[in-house]
Amino acid sequence: DIQMTQSPSSLSTSVGDRVTITCRASQSISSYLNWYQQKPGKAPKLLIYAASSLQSGVPSRFSGSGSGTDFTLTISSLQPEDFATYYCQQSHSFPHSFGQGTKLEMK
Amino acid sequence: QVLLQESGPGLVKPSETLSLTCTVSSGSILNYYWSWMRQPAGKGLEWIGRVFTSGTTNYNSSLKSRVTMSIDTSNNQFSLKLTSLTAADTAVYYCARGRPSCCYDSWGQGTLVTVSS
Repeated sequence: DIQMTQSPSSLSTSVGDRVTITCRASQSISSYLNWYQQKPGKAPKLLIYAASSLQSGVPSRFSGSGSGTDFTLTISSLQPEDFATYYCQQSHSFPHSFGQGTKLEMK
Repeated sequence: QVLLQESGPGLVKPSETLSLTCTVSSGSILNYYWSWMRQPAGKGLEWIGRVFTSGTTNYNSSLKSRVTMSIDTSNNQFSLKLTSLTAADTAVYYCARGRPSCCYDSWGQGTLVTVSS
């Protein structure tokens, strides 16, 4: 199975900050990497698919990059509604495993 | 905008079988993958498996011996059966739509399943 490792596990940030979350796969997954946002008590929401494609309706302050084993999710200017937990997921091989999550907290 | 809704028991006894159904509305069930994920309280997400509209399935190997998924395209529903339950199976279970060679773009609200006697 492919292991997905996110860093950091949590991040204290402020509105307006530029935020970068990284995700590393235990083997190459090409660009089969997706990013989700989850708020407490809610289902995950797809933000980025295929490493860098923005899901319809998602604000352009979210962007993704990377290929192979190393990937990044960037929020260019953090908004109050962006405080949440973010997960990466690989869809290259079964099982379609998730990272452990990165929680954005208010500084 | 496709909508997904999970249904099933909230409480199941240890060693019993969990049966969940996901109803798809406002969109076609055809030509997508339909998946189940779960999340224990305070923990991360686990992919359980998926079923295509043809009935083809893929399961997480860690659960494979206990999982069965099926699909009923005439009623726009798909289902999950998980046998031999233990407390470790207590989680919020989500159903989701998977795009081919991609990602999971629509999710149900989730249903809490507690395994306890």
